[in-house]
Amino acid sequence: QQQVKQSPQSLIVQKGGISIINCAYENTAFDYFPWYQQFPGKGPALLIAIRPDVSEKKEGRFTISFNKSAKQFSLHIMDSQPGDSATYFCAARLPGSARQLTFGSGTQLTVLP
Amino acid sequence: GAVVSQHPSRVICKSGTSVKIECRSLDFQATTMFWYRQFPKKSLMLMATSNEGSKATYEQGVEKDKFLINHASLTLSTLTVTSAHPEDSSFYICSARTSGGPYNEQFFGPGTRLTVL
Repeated sequence: QQQVKQSPQSLIVQKGGISIINCAYENTAFDYFPWYQQFPGKGPALLIAIRPDVSEKKEGRFTISFNKSAKQFSLHIMDSQPGDSATYFCAARLPGSARQLTFGSGTQLTVLP
Repeated sequence: GAVVSQHPSRVICKSGTSVKIECRSLDFQATTMFWYRQFPKKSLMLMATSNEGSKATYEQGVEKDKFLINHASLTLSTLTVTSAHPEDSSFYICSARTSGGPYNEQFFGPGTRLTVL
């Protein structure tokens, strides 16, 4: 019930296209859903996050869509650029003092020039 | 966002030696820090949760006597890999959580690449 399932494992998109990464969860108690971007040899960086009381959040070219009833959330990268090529992780967190992140398996995004 | 640093960024050591990795929150106080391990092309695996001034909580399967964690202050946590072996070679990443508010953000360090010969 703690799992977060992420797909696809890898994604290739042309420059200017839309990249879409999906995640699904089981535990309805999760109350915080961040997305992290990781470049090779670097630590993950928080990209954007959403709470379950909101269906969509947009920051620049990055949008999270959240479907509470389906227990799914997705990251959309508009006008994808070669510099967006990285590994993306979705995550979910339970409320309370523990607040450990449960990570998805990651999606390696390649944006072709 | 808040900045978390790690030192060293990479270390190579001989089998049987111990290695210490430092994790610092540079511009905020972190009552809780986390240590992760990441294998190539894999997700982050939580090793332990470290709270300032108390013993770390280790995840199942992580040897607490091998991976010593000390969270001595609100800005510093250290991970010591004792008697390192080649199978301990990995990418170790710490993160620190800001305090205050219901949705505390978690920020990650740049990672430490450990290679045990």
